Amino acid sequence: GESVGLHLPTLSVQEGDNSIINCAYSNSASDYFIWYKQESGKGPQFIIDIRSNMDKRQGQRVTVLLNKTVKHLSLQIAATQPGDSAVYFCAEIRINDMRFGAGTRLTVKP
Amino acid sequence: NAGVTQTPKFQVLKTGQSMTLQCAQDMNHEYMSWYRQDPGMGLRLIHYSVGAGITDQGEVPNGYNVSRSTTEDFPLRLLSAAPSQTSVYFCASSSEGVHQPQHFGDGTRLSIL
Repeated sequence: GESVGLHLPTLSVQEGDNSIINCAYSNSASDYFIWYKQESGKGPQFIIDIRSNMDKRQGQRVTVLLNKTVKHLSLQIAATQPGDSAVYFCAEIRINDMRFGAGTRLTVKP
Repeated sequence: NAGVTQTPKFQVLKTGQSMTLQCAQDMNHEYMSWYRQDPGMGLRLIHYSVGAGITDQGEVPNGYNVSRSTTEDFPLRLLSAAPSQTSVYFCASSSEGVHQPQHFGDGTRLSIL
């Protein structure tokens, strides 16, 4: 079975609702951030990124918000679908270093 | 388009055994990396390579060796397996850099008894 992902924060949403997944980062010097999606038994998949000179970036059904004041990053998924069920984690990047969060498990109820 | 291919998908070893995890990419990426993923933790970088013939240590290199004889292949060797090396191992590649968006394989789930 899937052992990675135990003890992660979880978010359960109804299909069609919007999802907000949060990430607190540690280093104010981090200047680039990436969100990944990891489905059960699969490798992480790039979703969207944002640089520290931006507050918001939009993709297809996803939006990333960056609040540098409180070192907080969020991923918003619009009209959440069953295929969005996965673990989502952020990565913070500064010069010669990249750190990954443990992630949040999103479950979409039909 | 295969992307990043890892073999085997599952492996069980006894303490003290050695083995090689295979990783191959067909995207002609210069940068390749190995990570381990443990329950409740973020990915941690083991070793990385910025091109054929060049490798360097990441955050948790002890107990692992790598080599990069070709652009395509980046095997990870466990010299003498220990229970603490039980983990899921991911290989990744990138055209932009080690600390840039990565293309990941689907992992090798390794158990050390």
